[in-house]
Amino acid sequence: KQEVTQIPAALSVPEGENLVLNCSFTDSAIYNLQWFRQDPGKGLTSLLLIQSSQREQTSGRLNASLDKSSGRSTLYIAASQPGDSATYLCAVKGGGNQFYFGTGTSLTVIP
Amino acid sequence: NAGVTQTPKFQVLKTGQSMTLQCAQDMNHEYMSWYRQDPGMGLRLIHYSVGAGITDQGEVPNGYNVSRSTTEDFPLRLLSAAPSQTSVYFCASSYSRDRDNSPLHFGNGTRLTVT
Repeated sequence: KQEVTQIPAALSVPEGENLVLNCSFTDSAIYNLQWFRQDPGKGLTSLLLIQSSQREQTSGRLNASLDKSSGRSTLYIAASQPGDSATYLCAVKGGGNQFYFGTGTSLTVIP
Repeated sequence: NAGVTQTPKFQVLKTGQSMTLQCAQDMNHEYMSWYRQDPGMGLRLIHYSVGAGITDQGEVPNGYNVSRSTTEDFPLRLLSAAPSQTSVYFCASSYSRDRDNSPLHFGNGTRLTVT
């Protein structure tokens, strides 16, 4: 069974700092990897999707990379802002339309 | 474009009661699914469907039923609520034909408390 791990579980940084969130998965047979943001009491908002054939995707201050062979993805956030405070989850799409989620990294950006 | 709509947003049930959580999407997605989210456990798949008339079990299906009579709707039924079903429930959908480039879209969730 696919297992997805996100470390650290929580991260606190001062405003303006660049940061990296990590996601690892055990089975490299994936169709895509998706990063989500979840604000307290809200649903998940899709940030970036990386197809299995791609190495990275960028959206504004966000850059996500994918290394299928090593089972790793990173989400890079440049020039962090207090509004970036949220929980970030990664999910991989496997066979049979199954999605497997990590437990998330709770990010706090301190003004 | 409403996306994925879940109702109700909040619900309190007594042990043994039954209810249906509603989920509707207007994106013509073939794939629809239900997750529950519990602290420290992440998102766990309850049931999913790849098209009208087709449903399948996920990781934690016990105590829940689903049906998919239309492409748009995918209700989740709690047959006899138990305190262990206290959780936040999310409905999500995506296209399934284009396997690599189909993001998963989520509703805003239903917070269920069973007393």
